[in-house]
This record gives sequence, C-alpha cells and structure tokens, in this order.
Amino acid sequence: GAGVSQTPSNKVTEKGKYVELRCDPISGHTALYWYRQSLGQGPEFLIYFQGTGAADDSGLPNDRFFAVRPEGSVSTLKIQRTERGDSAVYLCASSLTELWGDEQFFGPGTRLTVL
Amino acid sequence: SQKIEQNSEALNIQEGKTATLTCNYTNYSPAYLQWYRQDPGRGPVFLLLIRENEKEKRKERLKVTFDTTLKQSLFHITASQPADSATYLCALVGNNAGNMLTFGGGTRLMVKP
Repeated sequence: GAGVSQTPSNKVTEKGKYVELRCDPISGHTALYWYRQSLGQGPEFLIYFQGTGAADDSGLPNDRFFAVRPEGSVSTLKIQRTERGDSAVYLCASSLTELWGDEQFFGPGTRLTVL
Repeated sequence: SQKIEQNSEALNIQEGKTATLTCNYTNYSPAYLQWYRQDPGRGPVFLLLIRENEKEKRKERLKVTFDTTLKQSLFHITASQPADSATYLCALVGNNAGNMLTFGGGTRLMVKP
C-alpha cells in the first residue's frame, strides 16, 4: 500500500521567498505531524493535526511558519520570507490515531535549501 | 530543560556481535519510548515501542530495555549484520498532550563484515 508521500523531494529557493511543502498521509490516518531535521540531528517537532485542526503548533519556530490541513488529509507547510537558517529536511508523518504511542509513519522528507 | 542524549559518535562493530545503543533523558516523564531506524535520505522507520511500566521488549533480533529510575533506555541488536548499518533514533512520547515525538540526536551504527 502507499505510504506517506511528500513533494517536492528537493526545493532550492532564495532568501526572502515563499515556499510550500506538501504531505500526503496514509489514507485513513487522522493524525498528521510535521518535523524538521537538520544535518546530524534528530527530527524536531513543529506541529500536529488531528483531523483538520492544528492540535499543537508549539514547535513552529516563528510566525513565518504556517501549516494547514483543510480536508483532514493532505497538509501543506508554508514558510514565508525564507531565511538561510530554514534550510533542513522537513519530514511529515501520520498515525492512525493521536493516541500516545501510536506508530508514526514517516515520509521521505523534503530537503529545503535557502540560498 | 528537557534533554534526550544519544551517543553522537558512530558505533563500529563486527558482524555477528551485539550492538548496544544508549538513550538517556533528563527533565522528562515519558509514557512511552520508541526506537526508530533511519537510512540516509529517508524518513525514520518505527522499530519498537516500550511503555513506562515495561522493563524489556523483544522483537526478533532486537531488544529494548527501559529504566525510568536511571532515565535510560538500551537498544540491542544481536547477531548484527551489515544491513543493520543505519542511524538509530530514540524518541519519547508523553510529556505533553498529543502523540508528538521528542527525538534524540541519533547514533550511527556501522556493522563491518
């Protein structure tokens, strides 16, 4: 069956530009998570959705970052006025429920490079 | 502040030996601890989950222990194979509402034939 997919796989942009990163979760998974991973480090939580609503966005670094999941499936992470420090791999994951310990299935990530 | 520490130095072992990876945490009371495997250019893949009231969990050649007094988990791969070479991440769940994961920095394992 299809896993979590993310597009694009690579994105190169210039400082100050706007970018959108897309995540297609596993069908039927109600919870969706965004993480950011810098080189040599573990993933860092950004935001998670239960259904259409953002249940916890405490990991978003600042108000340049925003994410939506309007129909409870596909999610888009939006970054305004990109900075070089935003360069990282952005990982999306989904789980069947939001219950503690429910296994998360990760996508391959989008590698964002801000020049 | 909360901290999850894994040995940042790569672990090099010989094929057939047992690999042991360590995860230590501070200022955290996790309900669950999970271990993930990550290969270069890919997302993490779930391996094992252990609950706070469990001391040990096994799955095939994998074994995880969880000591909430020491605030430590050990991850063992017995009869290691070159295909086990990857980065292994521990992740904690349960200090906040919701199922979001707090990851350690990962340890790279290299199994030599």
